[in-house]
Amino acid sequence: ETGVTQSPTHLIKTRGQQVTLRCSSQSGHNTVSWYQQALGQGPQFIFQYYREEENGRGNFPPRFSGLQFPNYSSELNVNALELDDSALYLCASSLRTGPYEQYFGPGTRLTVT
Amino acid sequence: KQEVTQIPAALSVPEGENLVLNCSFTDSAIYNLQWFRQDPGKGLTSLLLIQSSQREQTSGRLNASLDKSSGRSTLYIAASQPGDSATYLCAVKNQAGTALIFGKGTTLSVSS
Repeated sequence: ETGVTQSPTHLIKTRGQQVTLRCSSQSGHNTVSWYQQALGQGPQFIFQYYREEENGRGNFPPRFSGLQFPNYSSELNVNALELDDSALYLCASSLRTGPYEQYFGPGTRLTVT
Repeated sequence: KQEVTQIPAALSVPEGENLVLNCSFTDSAIYNLQWFRQDPGKGLTSLLLIQSSQREQTSGRLNASLDKSSGRSTLYIAASQPGDSATYLCAVKNQAGTALIFGKGTTLSVSS
């Protein structure tokens, strides 16, 4: 069974640029969620994708967008990067039904300068 | 709006001690509660999940309890070891909505 994987591990971008982060869900999982974790804080929900559609969104502006592909993998896109976007971005996969246990990937550390 | 609080924010104990981490939530209409471990700069490892109909779950030296009516959960770690040093996060999923709502975590340090 393959766990959740994320790429890249680390990324440095300049303010105003755009970034794409990638996530492969755990085998058999059809739902992917993205979270942002600032230093010293708990993760904050960005959005969730199920059946290639957004299925819930947290308090993040539209410049945060995503995609889910037929193989359930997902991308998080952030446009017009701001310094406050510097954080650890976590992807989690789960099944849509049942206990809804979420399994997280190792994260992508984004630094915006 | 659901809010999750974890107390204490940090905890230092000697090896071998039994300890309890606390998590409280403001809205009892939860679907489940999940405890995670996070090592510095790393992702989250799921430790235990308690569904809303359950009172506790156990895995090895870990035991998590849930009291929905009082909005509380505890994570009990028996015979702590230096390898248990990490940040422990509590998260709830409401009956409505898709998000996990996290506390800020308790950072545990176990000294040998």
